[in-house]
Amino acid sequence: EPEVTQTPSHQVTQMGQEVILRCVPISNHLYFYWYRQILGQKVEFLVSFYNNEISEKSEIFDDQFSVERPDGSNFTLKIRSTKLEDSAMYFCASSSPYQGHTEAFFGQGTRLTVV
Amino acid sequence: AQSVTQLDSHVSVSEGTPVLLRCNYSSSYSPSLFWYVQHPNKGLQLLLKYTSAATLVKGINGFEAEFKKSETSFHLTKPSAHMSDAAEYFCVVSDVSFTSGTYKYIFGTGTRLKVLA
Repeated sequence: EPEVTQTPSHQVTQMGQEVILRCVPISNHLYFYWYRQILGQKVEFLVSFYNNEISEKSEIFDDQFSVERPDGSNFTLKIRSTKLEDSAMYFCASSSPYQGHTEAFFGQGTRLTVV
Repeated sequence: AQSVTQLDSHVSVSEGTPVLLRCNYSSSYSPSLFWYVQHPNKGLQLLLKYTSAATLVKGINGFEAEFKKSETSFHLTKPSAHMSDAAEYFCVVSDVSFTSGTYKYIFGTGTRLKVLA
C-alpha cells in the first residue's frame, strides 16, 4: 500500500539553526500538507501546497517557515532559525483530487527537538 | 468554518468493556469526518472515515462510528476494549477552502483512552 514517508524520524537542533524536514508524498497525489503537534497538544494545520505554490497557510506559518517541492517527489519544510517553541512532531500529508480529497494520508512524523 | 469538539480529554475503561469516545462537529455543509489513533511516540493511523455514504461506518480493530446529522455527532465505539487500544484518539473534520479549492483537516483536541486490566 502506498504511504507517505518522512525523514528523519527524530531531529535535534540548536536554537537558531536551520532545519529541513523531508517528506515523500504518495506518487500520484497533488496536494501536500504540513501539520504540527506540540507535545500534549492538538494537531495543528500549518500549510497546504498545490501546483508548486502555497494554497493556504495558518498564522503559525510565519516568515521563518517555507515549503518547497524541489524535485517532483520530495516535499520539504524549512525552518530558518529555530526557536525552542518549534519543538514538536511535524506531520506531512498528501491527498488526491481524483479521490475527492476524502482522505489525507499522513506520514509517521518527524519529532523536532530544539535545544 | 468547520470545527470538532471532543467532549472528553481522558476516558478510562476496563478491558473487555465497551468504549465510547464522543465527538461533535460543526459544519456549514455535509462534512467528511474521520477518526485517527495515535499510539505513544507513533504517527497518525486512520481508524475510519465518513464521506456521506452509510451513516454507520466500520473501521479497523473493531471500531465503528455513527454519523448523526440531527445531533451533529460522530461518536467512536467499540464493543470490547483491548489493552492495545490504549492510545490518543482524534476526531477530524475536513474543511474546504472555496477560494483556494484546497482541503485541510481540523483536528479535535484528542481523547486519551486508558484501558485497565
